[in-house]
Amino acid sequence: EAAVTQSPRNKVTVTGGNVTLSCRQTNSHNYMYWYRQDTGHGLRLIHYSYGAGNLQIGDVPDGYKATRTTQEDFFLLLELASPSQTSLYFCASSDPRSGNTLYFGEGSRLIVV
Amino acid sequence: GDSVTQTEGLVTLTKGLPVMLNCTYQTTYSPFLFWYVQHLNEAPKLLLKSSTDNKRTEHQGFYATLHKSSSSFHLQKSSVQLSDSALYFCALSGTGSFNKLTFGAGTRLAVCP
Repeated sequence: EAAVTQSPRNKVTVTGGNVTLSCRQTNSHNYMYWYRQDTGHGLRLIHYSYGAGNLQIGDVPDGYKATRTTQEDFFLLLELASPSQTSLYFCASSDPRSGNTLYFGEGSRLIVV
Repeated sequence: GDSVTQTEGLVTLTKGLPVMLNCTYQTTYSPFLFWYVQHLNEAPKLLLKSSTDNKRTEHQGFYATLHKSSSSFHLQKSSVQLSDSALYFCALSGTGSFNKLTFGAGTRLAVCP
C-alpha cells in the first residue's frame, strides 16, 4: 500500500507567522503535489513537482512557496500566513507506473488566527 | 483552462435507492476523468477512472461512462448503502499534462436508513 505521511497534522498560527508543512512519500513516485481543501471549492492545486529540485506552479500558488528536497520529501511554506490560508492541506504522490493514481496523505489542518 | 463542474453539493437518499452524481468537464485536450471518494476524516482515494469513449468502468458497485460528446462522466450506483455516505470528487486530467488533476467542488452523498 502506498504511503504518504504529513506533519504536523494540526497547526495553529498567528497572522504573519511562518509555517512549514512537511510531506514524505515512500512510494518511489516521481510526482508530488500540495492541495488545499475548502468547502465549496473541492481540492485546489497549490504546487507540484516531478522530481527533486523541480517545482511547478499550480492553480492557487499565491502566498505559498514549496521545495522538493529529495524524491521522498516535499515541503509547503507559508512565510506570512493570513487567515485566508486557514484550510485543510493534502499532500499526494503519483507515478505513471501506477496509472497516475493520486495517493493522498492524511491531511494537515492549519488555522491562522 | 481545464474545469470540472459538479452541480449537486448535497445528495440525500434512503438506503437501497439508485444514485447518480453529475460531472461535466471542459478541456481543449483529450480528457482522462476520475472519481475520488473521501470518507469522514479520511484522505481522498481513487474510486474509478475513465476508459475509452463510451465505455463503462466499474468498481465496488459504482460505475461511470465517459461521454466525450456531452463532456460528462456521471457516477452511478444501483443501490446505495449506508457506507457509501462520503464526499465524492470528480477530477480531470487534460491540457497536455496527464499528471495535473483539476477537481470539481465535490458532492456530499448522505445515505439514510
